[in-house]
Amino acid sequence: DSGVTQTPKHLITATGQRVTLRCSPRSGDLSVYWYQQSLDQGLQFLIQYYNGEERAKGNILERFSAQQFPDLHSELNLSSLELGDSALYFCASSVEQRSDTQYFGPGTRLTVL
Amino acid sequence: GESVGLHLPTLSVQEGDNSIINCAYSNSASDYFIWYKQESGKGPQFIIDIRSNMDKRQGQRVTVLLNKTVKHLSLQIAATQPGDSAVYFCAENTPQGGKLIFGQGTELSVKP
Repeated sequence: DSGVTQTPKHLITATGQRVTLRCSPRSGDLSVYWYQQSLDQGLQFLIQYYNGEERAKGNILERFSAQQFPDLHSELNLSSLELGDSALYFCASSVEQRSDTQYFGPGTRLTVL
Repeated sequence: GESVGLHLPTLSVQEGDNSIINCAYSNSASDYFIWYKQESGKGPQFIIDIRSNMDKRQGQRVTVLLNKTVKHLSLQIAATQPGDSAVYFCAENTPQGGKLIFGQGTELSVKP
């Protein structure tokens, strides 16, 4: 158990819908990272927040957004969902803004029908 | 785009044998490397890391080797056990920090 929690574990929804994925980092960690894992793309970095502020952005679609709250938990919002958004979404956390060792949560499996 | 060049081969070994998983990375500026293990239905689990000022680091039953000249990373698992069966990813980080760049993964299958 990494100490990172994610909810829900599974999510099934329809195209065009909007969903919110939630992540709680390890106690004491200030940085939260979101990654997408699909069969054809592997693990892809989406976005990083540090202490409530956006710090780095990867190949995150405009339909996707994230935020980190004062209690340091983070939410990833996915809107106008498409079939291709079906994937595993992982949250990771680390202590510092640039902290190399990132600890991953168990992931949320999103299925868009 | 950026990538750590790891295809998704499958490595099959006999229980008790040593395993070697290889990874080629593309960014010569990367200064930190990690190996993760991902079991089915779970998130990536940290195994071992190494900084670019080192060429070898050992953990419990695992060793990571770094060859910066050819931008190559390897993970050696000694006395491989059935519980080692998983997909193994290498990842790199640059001095700019933040995101990890992952390879595609290698599936390790351990035969009893």
